[in-house]
Formats: sequence, C-alpha cells, structure tokens
Amino acid sequence: ETGVTQSPTHLIKTRGQQVTLRCSSQSGHNTVSWYQQALGQGPQFIFQYYREEENGRGNFPPRFSGLQFPNYSSELNVNALELDDSALYLCASSFPGRSSTDTQYFGPGTRLTVL
Amino acid sequence: AQSVTQLGSHVSVSEGALVLLRCNYSSSVPPYLFWYVQYPNQGLQLLLKYTSAATLVKGINGFEAEFKKSETSFHLTKPSAHMSDAAEYFCAVTSRGSTLGRLYFGRGTQLTVWP
Repeated sequence: ETGVTQSPTHLIKTRGQQVTLRCSSQSGHNTVSWYQQALGQGPQFIFQYYREEENGRGNFPPRFSGLQFPNYSSELNVNALELDDSALYLCASSFPGRSSTDTQYFGPGTRLTVL
Repeated sequence: AQSVTQLGSHVSVSEGALVLLRCNYSSSVPPYLFWYVQYPNQGLQLLLKYTSAATLVKGINGFEAEFKKSETSFHLTKPSAHMSDAAEYFCAVTSRGSTLGRLYFGRGTQLTVWP
C-alpha cells in the first residue's frame, strides 16, 4: 500500500509569484486535507476536499485555493505569494472522510520558501 | 472553538526515564483527541487517539495517554524513553460528531533523549 506522497519536496519562490503543490492520497482514500506548518508552530488547517468538493475551510485568504481530481489526488495553489507563506505544507488523506474520528495519514510535506 | 495547549515546548529526559508530555484542551463538549509524532524531515504519524469511553488509550511504540475530563487533559506518557523517541510531538483536537475532520494542533513539544 502506497502512503501519501507530496511533490515537490522543496520549493523556492519570490514574492508575488504563484505556486502549485501536489499530493497523492493513500490508496482508496477519498478525502484530502491541507495544513500549513510555520516554523516552530503546529499545523494550521487550510481546507479539506471530499470527493472533489471543498468540504470546509480554515482562516486562510482566497489566494489559497485547491482542487481534487477524480483519482482523489489534490493540488494546493497559492497566488501572490507573501513572505509569511514560507512554511511546510502538509497533505493528509483519510477514508471514508465523513467523520472526525477518521485517522488522517500525513505526507512528508513540501517546504516552501518565499524570498 | 477548539484549542489545545501543550505545556513545555522542550522536554529532556535520560534514556530509560519516564516520558510525560502535557496537553490540555479547551472545548465546550468532550472532543476527540490525538497525539502525533513528527521526526525530522518527515510528516506526522499518529501515535494514538481518544474517540470512545475508554479513557486510557494505548498507542504505538509503547506510548499511552489518559483522557481526564475533570482536568481537561490528555497527557502522553511512556514508562521508559528510548533514543529513537527523540522527535516533536503534537497534541490535536477535533469536534465530536463533525463530518469535517479538521484537526486543531498545539504548538508542539520537542522531546530530547539523552544517553
């Protein structure tokens, strides 16, 4: 069974640019959640996708957007990058995705640096 | 709103000593509670979760946690620390009965194990 994978591992961008991060969910998992982990902080919930629809959103501006594809993989897009967007971005998948008791399986993350 | 507070951003113990990592939650109703571990350059791995009436929860790698409603606590313990336990530990909470698996994380506790 393949776990959650994320690409790229590291990324460096400059302010104002746009970035796309990718996540492949664990086999059979239909729900993907994205979290932002700033240095020295716990992960913060960005949003969740269930069967290709956004299922909930945290306190992040609209320039953070996402997609989920029919194979349940997902993308996180961030427009107009700011210095404070520098963080580790974590993707987590779960099944069946309709309960808060479902275990979320995390990928290794993408380290984004904004200069 | 859900929140957790992890007391002590850094904990150091000797190999073989008791490990105690503290977590207190804030919630109007008893939530579901989780402990995750993060090794360097890796994603989060679930250690254990509390989702039922059994207040003492056993997890992987010899860890356990006890849910104490009267103290709003969910402290993580391990009787005997091993060098391989050195990592960052996160306590997290989510709403009981919610279909959105949004996790609220604490700021984390870095565990150092001395030989």
